[in-house]
Amino acid sequence: EVQLVESGGGLVQPGGSLRLSCTASGFILTDYWTAWVRQAPGKGLDWVANINEDGSERYYADSVKGRFTISRDTAKNSVSLQMNSLRGEDTGVYYCAKEPYDLWGRGTLVNVSP
Amino acid sequence: DVVLTQSPVSLPAALGQPASISCKSSQSLVHSDGNTYLNWIHQRPGQSPRRLIYKVSNRDSGVPDRFSGSGSATDFTLKISRVEAEDVGVYYCMQGTHWLPYTFGQGTKLEIK
Repeated sequence: EVQLVESGGGLVQPGGSLRLSCTASGFILTDYWTAWVRQAPGKGLDWVANINEDGSERYYADSVKGRFTISRDTAKNSVSLQMNSLRGEDTGVYYCAKEPYDLWGRGTLVNVSP
Repeated sequence: DVVLTQSPVSLPAALGQPASISCKSSQSLVHSDGNTYLNWIHQRPGQSPRRLIYKVSNRDSGVPDRFSGSGSATDFTLKISRVEAEDVGVYYCMQGTHWLPYTFGQGTKLEIK
């Protein structure tokens, strides 16, 4: 089955770090650009970052630039999002999506709270 | 950044009746390659987003033909010809023409009245 599965979410204090992973099955993730999109509780969708097929291009929303790093692991058929200096406003469900956004994972919840 | 404004924000719809959602862009979404990268995304309650329509009017695989997309440049519409119970949830338009960043509309919540 073609799918994306996110993991790594959880409760973290402000200023802390988390590393999210997105693992693909049923297809080769490095054949596609891959993105992270987040959704704050009760709010809409917000693009976070993306990475190209070979990892040579990475782009970030201004709100996370300098704090988040997207990377990919070809051997694990996965993409990761390292999140540092977390803030309350980073709380939400983080979705991984294969571009052009035709496949989304089920999401992983990040809760930044004291 | 490109701002996408959807209307209405809330859409009470009757089963079997048509429904329509508007998405207006702060700038033209026609790309230099001639394509218009405007998607429609559906999110059912408690579920992850799912793309319904890409490049304005192309339905994704498995999307019922009661869904249709239209529009050009800055004005776009998603139409449901006959609303069914499974159509509830939030609909978002999303643009990829002027990405970095990709942007989404604020969402339209469809509920059955």
